[in-house]
Amino acid sequence: SQTIHQWPATLVQPVGSPLSLECTVEGTSNPNLYWYRQAAGRGLQLLFYSVGIGQISSEVPQNLSASRPQDRQFILSSKKLLLSDSGFYLCAWSMFGQGSGELFFGEGSRLTVL
Amino acid sequence: AQSVTQPDIHITVSEGASLELRCNYSYGATPYLFWYVQSPGQGLQLLLKYFSGDTLVQGIKGFEAEFKRSQSSFNLRKPSVHWSDAAEYFCAVGGYGGATNKLIFGTGTLLAVQP
Repeated sequence: SQTIHQWPATLVQPVGSPLSLECTVEGTSNPNLYWYRQAAGRGLQLLFYSVGIGQISSEVPQNLSASRPQDRQFILSSKKLLLSDSGFYLCAWSMFGQGSGELFFGEGSRLTVL
Repeated sequence: AQSVTQPDIHITVSEGASLELRCNYSYGATPYLFWYVQSPGQGLQLLLKYFSGDTLVQGIKGFEAEFKRSQSSFNLRKPSVHWSDAAEYFCAVGGYGGATNKLIFGTGTLLAVQP
C-alpha cells in the first residue's frame, strides 16, 4: 500500500533562517506531488505541484520554493523565513494522469517563525 | 473563477443528533467534489467523493453527501453524530485537469460534539 511521510512534524525557526521540509511517498511510482499551506480560517492554499522529477509549478508568488530531486521526494525550502511563513504545511500525492482523482495527504509539518 | 464556500465556520451538535455541513461551489464545468476530515494536528482524510452517476454518495464513518447541480451544493450529512466525529471538515472541488489533480478547498467547518 502507498504511504506518505513528512518531516519534521514540528519546527520553530527564527526570522531570516533557512527552511527545509521533506516529503516522501512509498508504494507508488511517478506520483503527482503537492505542497499546501493551511492557515487558521483560510482553508488550504496550494503552493506548488509537480508532475515529474525537476518539474515544479508554483501557484502563488511567495518566499518559498520547491524541488523534486527524486521521483517520490518533494522538498519545500526557503532561504530566509518571514513571520508570514508560519503555518501548517501539508504534502499530498495523487495518481499521475488521473485529473480528477483524490489527494492523499501526509500528517503535516507545523512551522512557527519567531 | 472556481471557488468553494463553506458558510458555517463552527457548528456544535449534541451526540446522537443529525448533522448537515454545507458546501457550495462555483465551477465552470462538471465538478468533481470531495469531503475531507482533519483531526487536530493531523493530515486530511478523504470521507467521500463524487465524480458522476448517483448524486447521493456514501462515504466512510457513516457519512453521506448529496450533489445538487441546480443549487451548486454538495452538503455532507450524518444521521447520528458520535463524539469521535469532532474535527474540521473541508469541502473541495476539482475537475479534469490533465495530469494534475489540483483541488480547491473551502475554509473548513469546525465541528464540536456535546455529550
